[in-house]
Amino acid sequence: GENVEQHPSTLSVQEGDSAVIKCTYSDSASNYFPWYKQELGKRPQLIIDIRSNVGEKKDQRIAVTLNKTAKHFSLHITETQPEDSAVYFCAASDGTASKLTFGTGTRLQVTL
Amino acid sequence: EAGVTQFPSHSVIEKGQTVTLRCDPISGHDNLYWYRRVMGKEIKFLLHFVKESKQDESGMPNNRFLAERTGGTYSTLKVQPAELEDSGVYFCASSQGGEAFFGQGTRLTVV
Repeated sequence: GENVEQHPSTLSVQEGDSAVIKCTYSDSASNYFPWYKQELGKRPQLIIDIRSNVGEKKDQRIAVTLNKTAKHFSLHITETQPEDSAVYFCAASDGTASKLTFGTGTRLQVTL
Repeated sequence: EAGVTQFPSHSVIEKGQTVTLRCDPISGHDNLYWYRRVMGKEIKFLLHFVKESKQDESGMPNNRFLAERTGGTYSTLKVQPAELEDSGVYFCASSQGGEAFFGQGTRLTVV
């Protein structure tokens, strides 16, 4: 089955700096890669996703890159703000209606 | 639009007791998923319903876990009898082929 590894487990950056979270996956059949953000006490929410026919996707301060050959994908957050502090999960799936296999999460702390 | 709703938000039970978790998906969503996050680890898949049918139950840990989705609307996940290792946060999610929307989870503590 699919296995997703996520690094780092914790990340502390100063406000305004960039943050990068990296994930690798094992199953070449995976073709859908969402990223979820979970703020303290709240539900995980989708912030961006990418499909395997695309190498990069950007939405304002958030971008995701995908390298299918190397089986890794990354989340980039620029100009970080305190409200970006949360746990971020990467996931992989072989279809948008299929189960998601998650990474272990990254706790991002943006300090003033 | 109402989101995915889970009940209860917290549950503390003794080992050996039974607990039933409920999930109300977004209205009209055929796909309903159960996931579990144990103490700082990854969110792990348990099972997937399409309407009232179990599409994939490969993540169910053992036969102490029983999930139902009668009528293809809300779903219940029963743990009987509960063991200490069942403690964690149980998430439900629903989708209609696109983004999976998550509920806030039920934090289950077995003591």
